[in-house]
Amino acid sequence: DSGVTQTPKHLITATGQRVTLRCSPRSGDLSVYWYQQSLDQGLQFLIQYYNGEERAKGNILERFSAQQFPDLHSELNLSSLELGDSALYFCASSPGTSGYNEQFFGPGTRLTVL
Amino acid sequence: KNEVEQSPQNLTAQEGEFITINCSYSVGISALHWLQQHPGGGIVSLFMLSSGKKKHGRLIATINIQEKHSSLHITASHPRDSAVYICAPRDLFGNEKLTFGTGTRLTIIP
Repeated sequence: DSGVTQTPKHLITATGQRVTLRCSPRSGDLSVYWYQQSLDQGLQFLIQYYNGEERAKGNILERFSAQQFPDLHSELNLSSLELGDSALYFCASSPGTSGYNEQFFGPGTRLTVL
Repeated sequence: KNEVEQSPQNLTAQEGEFITINCSYSVGISALHWLQQHPGGGIVSLFMLSSGKKKHGRLIATINIQEKHSSLHITASHPRDSAVYICAPRDLFGNEKLTFGTGTRLTIIP
């Protein structure tokens, strides 16, 4: 158990809908990262937050947004869902942003868009 | 953009064999992660290293920053080692963004 929790575990929804994925980092970790793993693209970095501020952005679509709250949990919002958004979404956390922090992964949320 | 290549893509071996998985990347990095993903989908971080060699139990990871290459070795492999192993170099400039290899699917036969 990494100490990172994600809810829900599974989510099935329809095209055009909007969903919110939630991540609680390990106690004391200030950084949260979101990743997407799809069959055709593999694992991709989406976005990083550190202590409530956006820190780095990867291949995140404009239909997707995220935020980190004062209690350090984070939410990833996916809107106008398309079939291709079906994927495993992982969050990870680490203590800070110095160059050598290990990242601890949550169990993932499996999103299926029908 | 960092191009990350892993080899082999698939590896099947007998229990007890010594396993080597290789990872090459194209641009300078600050560190590299080795991750293990089990059939259920969960990801476990095995190592994070920026130089030299690290060992945890039967797992050994090495990195040569100058040659842009890392290897993951498993000694005395066991069926429970069956998983996908992914290398993930971290950007050089400190934002901790990871780029992921496509993974090596390892199957250990009893």
